[in-house]
Amino acid sequence: DVQMTQSPSSLSASVGDRVTITCRASQKITKFLNWYQQRPGKAPKLLISAASNLQGGVPLRFSGSASGTDFTLTISSLQPEDFATYYCQQSYSTPYTFGQGTRLEIK
Amino acid sequence: QVQLQESGPGLVKPSQTLSLICIVSGDPMNSGGSYWTWIRQHPVKGLEWIGFIYYTGITDYNPSLKSRVTLSVDPSKNQFSLTLNSMTAADTAVYFCARGGATAGNLDPWGPGILVTVSS
Repeated sequence: DVQMTQSPSSLSASVGDRVTITCRASQKITKFLNWYQQRPGKAPKLLISAASNLQGGVPLRFSGSASGTDFTLTISSLQPEDFATYYCQQSYSTPYTFGQGTRLEIK
Repeated sequence: QVQLQESGPGLVKPSQTLSLICIVSGDPMNSGGSYWTWIRQHPVKGLEWIGFIYYTGITDYNPSLKSRVTLSVDPSKNQFSLTLNSMTAADTAVYFCARGGATAGNLDPWGPGILVTVSS
């Protein structure tokens, strides 16, 4: 299985801050990397597919990038509704696997 | 707008079989192009992909569960199902169904999820 290592596991930030979450794959996954946002008590929501493709309706402050087996989710200016848990997921090969999540908290 | 909704028991006894249904609305399953997927979320272990089924019945399962899981699909009812046998406390989780896109792995949308507790 492809292991996805996500960091940090938690992050405290303020409204307006720029934050970056990283995800490292244990092997090549090209650009088959997706990012999800999960609010408490809700299902995950797809934000970005194929490493950098923003889904419809997702604010432009969210962006994704890739470099080899390292992937980054950036939120350029945090808004109150962005405080949630974020997960990466590889869809290169089954079984599809997820990172352990990054909990983004208000400072 | 595509919507998914899980249904099934919230409590299962150890060694019993779990059966869940996911009802899909807004997207005819037999139109193809989607991979109907089950995922679960453990309180500690995080998100785990269980497997997917195509409307033709083609399946792909997580090897960690393959001996215990069966997915089935009924395009005429626009629903698909999960069966997981020999349940233990380790199977306690929130179970989600979701639609996998053209590459199967990008999951959107998800159902709201159903908490399944394994306890006697």
